[in-house]
Amino acid sequence: GAVVSQHPSRVICKSGTSVKIECRSLDFQATTMFWYRQFPKQSLMLMATSNEGSKATYEQGVEKDKFLINHASLTLSTLTVTSAHPEDSSFYICSATKRGTGAEAFFGQGTRLTVV
Amino acid sequence: GIQVEQSPPDLILQEGANSTLRCNFSDSVNNLQWFHQNPWGQLINLFYIPSGTKQNGRLSATTVATERYSLLYISSSQTTDSGVYFCAVERGFGNEKLTFGTGTRLTIIP
Repeated sequence: GAVVSQHPSRVICKSGTSVKIECRSLDFQATTMFWYRQFPKQSLMLMATSNEGSKATYEQGVEKDKFLINHASLTLSTLTVTSAHPEDSSFYICSATKRGTGAEAFFGQGTRLTVV
Repeated sequence: GIQVEQSPPDLILQEGANSTLRCNFSDSVNNLQWFHQNPWGQLINLFYIPSGTKQNGRLSATTVATERYSLLYISSSQTTDSGVYFCAVERGFGNEKLTFGTGTRLTIIP
């Protein structure tokens, strides 16, 4: 299967600081990547769609100024959590879709963010 | 938006048992995938199955798109099968978001 790499896997930061998470598709190009958030014992909820070369599309209720997304190339999207607060602590996971005989999504390893 | 319900929400089985997990969705879809989320949070792709039946070792899946459901079968369960199983659907062809189901938490007891 395709490989999507996400870093860091775990980060602890102080309130008020910013954290950048990277998502890379290692063996295919992705014009679109997706960022999800997962709270404990819950399902994944889409935060935003990252589009290469254009602005991200955010889901309702997601603050675009807090969660900055940059899709700089066909293999890299970044999510920056700005001025993080404890309520931003969560599991963030990205995905990219590989097109072949179908359109299968592959996920990164996820990033567990803890804001103290 | 599309609704995705999974059942049962929790399942506890003895090692060696078989299980069937169900995914119901409320509208037509062009993409359906099954994932296993391991204890570290990683989503492992199990099946890309918008329709039909596929098998991979002890696992198999069937999607009946016209009736809007999919089934995941796990045979001869092992403790490493423990975790949360998600189905996810998409109405488009890879350029739209995946909507995840509610998940089934499977615990295999030695």
